[in-house]
Amino acid sequence: AQKITQTQPGMFVQEKEAVTLDCTYDTSDQSYGLFWYKQPSSGEMIFLIYQGSYDEQNATEGRYSLNFQKARKSANLVISASQLGDSAMYFCAMREGLGNQFYFGTGTSLTVIP
Amino acid sequence: NAGVTQTPKFRVLKTGQSMTLLCAQDMNHEYMYWYRQDPGMGLRLIHYSVGEGTTAKGEVPDGYNVSRLKKQNFLLGLESAAPSQTSVYFCASSYRLAQYFGPGTRLTVL
Repeated sequence: AQKITQTQPGMFVQEKEAVTLDCTYDTSDQSYGLFWYKQPSSGEMIFLIYQGSYDEQNATEGRYSLNFQKARKSANLVISASQLGDSAMYFCAMREGLGNQFYFGTGTSLTVIP
Repeated sequence: NAGVTQTPKFRVLKTGQSMTLLCAQDMNHEYMYWYRQDPGMGLRLIHYSVGEGTTAKGEVPDGYNVSRLKKQNFLLGLESAAPSQTSVYFCASSYRLAQYFGPGTRLTVL
């Protein structure tokens, strides 16, 4: 089974609108971490936001927030007030417990429309 | 502070040739990783290291070898390149939480 599933290959959003990128995960560990990365067309991977499995509040970093629903095993990324520079691939990832491996989803391509 | 750097940025090999990709980090991170990224498949872990002198296999290790002789460097080797190894290779380092990535190496094997 896939550890990380991103079901949206591509998404479009109007500039200044909010958008939600979906991510579900699969683990039997109680302790884990969830991450989102942005990959613009230039190719680099940029860390956006982190959520720990024991964190009671949803993580936020500027215009990024993580909608963490533990019972549903989902960790959706919400981008508020979209900007043209947000157009990129977005990857969800998970680290289990004290493990050393990160598991990545297949990514969602976001296009912001002027 | 350069973060994570990768050398080279681009490379074209012929089938059967060998090469080494170099990853260097200046953040004193214990953990380092090598991934490959292929269209529609996200990032897949090749090998990783939890400290100087240690390495371990990831999800797709076949055809690759690694070495971590110094804490700041993590080398990825291809002994006999195959067209299936055409990909973008990313190195990353981490301390506890998030990974920090290098800019990637685009490798084409003809």
